[in-house]
Amino acid sequence: GAVVSQHPSWVICKSGTSVKIECRSLDFQATTMFWYRQFPKQSLMLMATSNEGSKATYEQGVEKDKFLINHASLTLSTLTVTSAHPEDSSFYICSADSPWATGELFFGEGSRLTVL
Amino acid sequence: AQSVTQPDIHITVSEGASLELRCNYSYGATPYLFWYVQSPGQGLQLLLKYFSGDTLVQGIKGFEAEFKRSQSSFNLRKPSVHWSDAAEYFCAVGARNAGNMLTFGGGTRLMVKP
Repeated sequence: GAVVSQHPSWVICKSGTSVKIECRSLDFQATTMFWYRQFPKQSLMLMATSNEGSKATYEQGVEKDKFLINHASLTLSTLTVTSAHPEDSSFYICSADSPWATGELFFGEGSRLTVL
Repeated sequence: AQSVTQPDIHITVSEGASLELRCNYSYGATPYLFWYVQSPGQGLQLLLKYFSGDTLVQGIKGFEAEFKRSQSSFNLRKPSVHWSDAAEYFCAVGARNAGNMLTFGGGTRLMVKP
């Protein structure tokens, strides 16, 4: 159990286009999901906390209009990178809160975005 | 706010040798502590976690970690490294009063020599 799946795994897009990344909890319901960004050979930086049915909470320095997060159901959160530019190229990882109150997070496989 | 430091960016060990990856954290109370492993281009896999109780925790793949409150450390150990252990390792701390938001250390890249 506790599988989190991201789609797509890889995406290449042209500068100026928008890209949507999906994060799904496959066998459990996730009230809270987290979106992280990871630059090459660096650690994970929390971008935002997504709560089902409410607006996401963004970390300082993360543009909410740039990175749109929607958590419309207990099994799906989406991250849309709007008007993507090459500097948005990164590895985006989502995670979901454990529904069993164990305090751990379950991570997706990550989505690599390359903006040309 | 909590923070995590992994002093070693890269570590190279020979296959079969023992391993210790260092992790120091800063937090005002007893935190939740985690070790995750990441293979290239992959997501994160939980190795082990500490919430309370026994300060020596056992994880998957033969890993263990010891919580030392006096040193604010949570070092990861393995008695005998396998070539398949080569990966990036992240220590993370979660604040008990901030839901499950995790703060990650910078990571340690482990390379294993044959």
